[in-house]
Amino acid sequence: GAGVSQTPSNKVTEKGKYVELRCDPISGHTALYWYRQSLGQGPEFLIYFQGTGAADDSGLPNDRFFAVRPEGSVSTLKIQRTERGDSAVYLCASSLSPGGFTEAFFGQGTRLTVV
Amino acid sequence: GESVGLHLPTLSVQEGDNSIINCAYSNSASDYFIWYKQESGKGPQFIIDIRSNMDKRQGQRVTVLLNKTVKHLSLQIAATQPGDSAVYFCAENMGNFNKFYFGSGTKLNVKP
Repeated sequence: GAGVSQTPSNKVTEKGKYVELRCDPISGHTALYWYRQSLGQGPEFLIYFQGTGAADDSGLPNDRFFAVRPEGSVSTLKIQRTERGDSAVYLCASSLSPGGFTEAFFGQGTRLTVV
Repeated sequence: GESVGLHLPTLSVQEGDNSIINCAYSNSASDYFIWYKQESGKGPQFIIDIRSNMDKRQGQRVTVLLNKTVKHLSLQIAATQPGDSAVYFCAENMGNFNKFYFGSGTKLNVKP
């Protein structure tokens, strides 16, 4: 497809389990971002990749959260020992270049529910 | 704007009227701003952007105004349509990369 694709669209998991969320950015986009959106709030930055490397992971809430982008395209956000407070919509975005003043295109998100 | 948790500020307008959505941003060093539209169950969608060296920018039916003195951003939508109903977010960054800080959003409700 032409847009940012995220899978799964919905994920329900039990407290304490491990989950992986996948993001396929727009082809050719070197910059990739993960955001988290809680109900009724704006997205919050988690991590930014330029190519394969995490250029800024300052938004990851704790060491249970980790993200990779091994080949500079698809990215996976990994959450260990999930907690109910992790329930949110996880959004991925990509942009053509990492510089400022460029539009980031968002995927539809993965709704994570921890029960 | 302040965070209101589950209770987003809501603007209700009649179809065909003009809408003005406001946003107070936090960082005086921010030099790039974007308005996003988010419909239920979808990711944010780019509407219009503006750099800090401008105070006004126009698109199709939309205008963004930037007042750096009071750190205020507004989005004007002309001839509002039912399809404009969504939550609108302003986002700011400092231009070095796409680490945007989003406001808490305003829900626009267009009545037919």
